[in-house]
Amino acid sequence: DIVMTQSPDSLAVSLGERATINCKSSQSVLYISNNKNYLAWYQQKPGQPPKLLIYWASTRESGVPDRFSGSGSGTDFTLTISSLQAEDVAVYYCQQYYSTPLTFGGGTNVEIK
Amino acid sequence: QLQLQESGPGLVKPSETLSLTCSVSGGSISSTSYYWGWIRQPPGKGLEWIGTIYYSGTTYNNPSLKSRVTISVDTSKNQFSLKVSSVTAADTAVYYCAVNYASGRLNWFDPWGQGILVTVSS
Repeated sequence: DIVMTQSPDSLAVSLGERATINCKSSQSVLYISNNKNYLAWYQQKPGQPPKLLIYWASTRESGVPDRFSGSGSGTDFTLTISSLQAEDVAVYYCQQYYSTPLTFGGGTNVEIK
Repeated sequence: QLQLQESGPGLVKPSETLSLTCSVSGGSISSTSYYWGWIRQPPGKGLEWIGTIYYSGTTYNNPSLKSRVTISVDTSKNQFSLKVSSVTAADTAVYYCAVNYASGRLNWFDPWGQGILVTVSS
């Protein structure tokens, strides 16, 4: 199984400041034949299901604000919120879909400082 | 726009079988474009993929749940279902159904149902 490790577990950021969440996979999720990273990011607010933010490591889902961006390749990935808004308070998860079983990171809790 | 809704008992006794149904609206479960997945989340914890099914009945399961999981599809009702046998307290979780996008292989999940809390307790 591919183990997904997120850091930090929790993050407090001032409104308008940048939030950076890291996700590391235990093996590469880059598929060489199409040069795509098989990684997605989700946002989960309290009492709600996860919401897809990004797939292919850096492609923003339709309707997702452009302050959210994904980057990285191979085994190391980052989700960046460029200017944190109050509505961004949530837990964020990465997920690999390079191989089954599909696996998620442990989550990063983003709060307002 | 696809919408999914989980239903089933919120309380199951230890050693019994957990049974949930996911009703799909806004599209056909027989569409060749979609796969249908189950994910669970123990209270206060992270997400675990349980398994995914295609309308043809082909299933993909997480080996961590071994042979306790059965996923099936009912195209006449536009629903798919999950059964987990021999449950213990460790199976207490919010269970989500979701569209499992696929392109050659299983990909991400979008959209998700609201989730249903299932508690295993006597």
